[in-house]
Amino acid sequence: EAGVVQSPRYKIIEKKQPVAFWCNPISGHNTLYWYRQNLGQGPELLIRYENEEAVDDSQLPKDRFSAERLKGVDSTLKIQPAELGDSAVYLCASSSGQGLPGYTFGSGTRLTVV
Amino acid sequence: QKEVEQDPGPLSVPEGAIVSLNCTYSNSAFQYFMWYRQYSRKGPELLMYTYSSGNKEDGRFTAQVDKSSKYISLFIRDSQPSDSATYLCAMGKQAAGNKLTFGGGTRVLVKP
Repeated sequence: EAGVVQSPRYKIIEKKQPVAFWCNPISGHNTLYWYRQNLGQGPELLIRYENEEAVDDSQLPKDRFSAERLKGVDSTLKIQPAELGDSAVYLCASSSGQGLPGYTFGSGTRLTVV
Repeated sequence: QKEVEQDPGPLSVPEGAIVSLNCTYSNSAFQYFMWYRQYSRKGPELLMYTYSSGNKEDGRFTAQVDKSSKYISLFIRDSQPSDSATYLCAMGKQAAGNKLTFGGGTRVLVKP
């Protein structure tokens, strides 16, 4: 079974530029999460999708961040414009929504804003 | 104050030693508790989870939860250099739709 696939693995951009991250969850997983992990800290939830619907986006900075999950499969997270403080690892995770509470993470996209 | 506190380490032990990790939390509503392992430049991977107070064992790993003290632990027996990683505790409640609240992680180094 393929895991959660994220791209790109690394991204360096100048501040005020836009950036987008892509996630392909495990096949059949209806629930998709985007987390942000700052250096030396644990991941923090940005947004959770159930199929196509964003059911928890309370911690997504909506002035500059947006996300979409078309057709309830792949998802894209966008930042526009990026700020220096957005430098972090952006992790995507997915779960089947049934049974075990844990979920499977991708390897993340490491963003550096200069 | 963060909901979940975890000593950042690093924790350095010789190969074969027991690694002891712990987290404290403040929200008594948490219903399940997990430990994730994260290698450098990789995503976290689930090691163990438990719903109740007490011990749960899986091979060399033992997870311990004390809800009355709001304290959880992970023990790694016969540690190996391949256990060198950052260990993250995480907690959640079903009413929150599986949202996990993570500790900051403890970096562990097992020296050969």
